[in-house]
Amino acid sequence: DTEVTQTPKHLVMGMTNKKSLKCEQHMGHRAMYWYKQKAKKPPELMFVYSYEKLSINESVPSRFSPECPNSSLLNLHLHALQPEDSALYLCASSHNQGYEQYFGPGTRLTVT
Amino acid sequence: TQLLEQSPQFLSIQEGENLTVYCNSSSVFSSLQWYRQEPGEGPVLLVTVVTGGEVKKLKRLTFQFGDARKDSSLHITAAQPGDTGLYLCACDKDSSYKLIFGSGTRLLVRP
Repeated sequence: DTEVTQTPKHLVMGMTNKKSLKCEQHMGHRAMYWYKQKAKKPPELMFVYSYEKLSINESVPSRFSPECPNSSLLNLHLHALQPEDSALYLCASSHNQGYEQYFGPGTRLTVT
Repeated sequence: TQLLEQSPQFLSIQEGENLTVYCNSSSVFSSLQWYRQEPGEGPVLLVTVVTGGEVKKLKRLTFQFGDARKDSSLHITAAQPGDTGLYLCACDKDSSYKLIFGSGTRLLVRP
């Protein structure tokens, strides 16, 4: 099983809403990642979890709050987002650091 | 300044044509990866190259890592509409968890 799943596929939220994005993998990978991708741009790293601990935060605003409940799950909690946060949010996992990451299909987020 | 520069940025070709996409940097990398991303989907890993001068083939796709491990190319033979997508090269900077992506090449193969 080389699949990373993400839910929901699409999300529309207002600037005062609180929502969560979910990611799951069952490949036994110990590193998990959140990326943000704007249209026609490459993905930009947001957070890295290694062995369920946050190891990298790329100076992401606090309105994005990651959580890793266990080695298979990764959440991204969203609160008080801005319209410019609208993007494709991608989750990925890898067996080892940085190497050969497997991406989920992404969540298309629209902030109104 | 982008760590990995890809060229061209956009390529529109007819089905059956050949093409080459380039990924260049001034830095040396321990490894380099190529991904393809289709609209509305996540990137899919195509190949990882590790050794300078290495050539890997994946059906009609040929990947090459430069001798000095600073650059890489992707050659597609007889392109098909199913090859359409965003091609991204990527490296793990400093062997950390940070995967740095190139600027991307958007390929459109017309039937």
